[in-house]
Amino acid sequence: EPEVTQTPSHQVTQMGQEVILRCVPISNHLYFYWYRQILGQKVEFLVSFYNNEISEKSEIFDDQFSVERPDGSNFTLKIRSTKLEDSAMYFCARQTGHYGYTFGSGTRLTVV
Amino acid sequence: KNEVEQSPQNLTAQEGEFITINCSYSVGISALHWLQQHPGGGIVSLFMLSSGKKKHGRLIATINIQEKHSSLHITASHPRDSAVYICAVRSETSGSRLTFGEGTQLTVNP
Repeated sequence: EPEVTQTPSHQVTQMGQEVILRCVPISNHLYFYWYRQILGQKVEFLVSFYNNEISEKSEIFDDQFSVERPDGSNFTLKIRSTKLEDSAMYFCARQTGHYGYTFGSGTRLTVV
Repeated sequence: KNEVEQSPQNLTAQEGEFITINCSYSVGISALHWLQQHPGGGIVSLFMLSSGKKKHGRLIATINIQEKHSSLHITASHPRDSAVYICAVRSETSGSRLTFGEGTQLTVNP
């Protein structure tokens, strides 16, 4: 299976700025996910995206967050006005086979 | 109480030792994943289980659905096995999302 590529690998942004994290699944898979991991904590679910629509979202995924699949291959997570507590590692993932997962390499977001 | 509990939190071993990491969960699941996270942060899927046992090289994963428990074993451990090992479950009632354990930090010394 092809890898899931995330860009950038590391982004530093000022509080209040908008950031867009990108994921390239390079396939026609239908199910995609965003997870995040705050430093020293466990990985948390943010949102799942099925057939170009949000299918599930967690309580973390508030109005500051949005997801899109703008051109059929890229998959983006946008944070509209970043807060210090948004600093985390963000992973995209895609479902493979029936229940399998392939994770991206992650984007480390640092909000200063 | 967390839905997914791992033990131990930290484990230090000597090269060559047999290692066991445990995962208990409190919900009905459709699948359980064992994942590996290296210091750079990337997550690699090791196994997906819904029953029984799977083996890949020196890694063995088992699951007991009735007891809601899974184990990851590493035979003949090596320093390159040093990483965080994470158990994650796909609940029967929470769609396709994964719920993660806290992870086990494994350090294998030469």
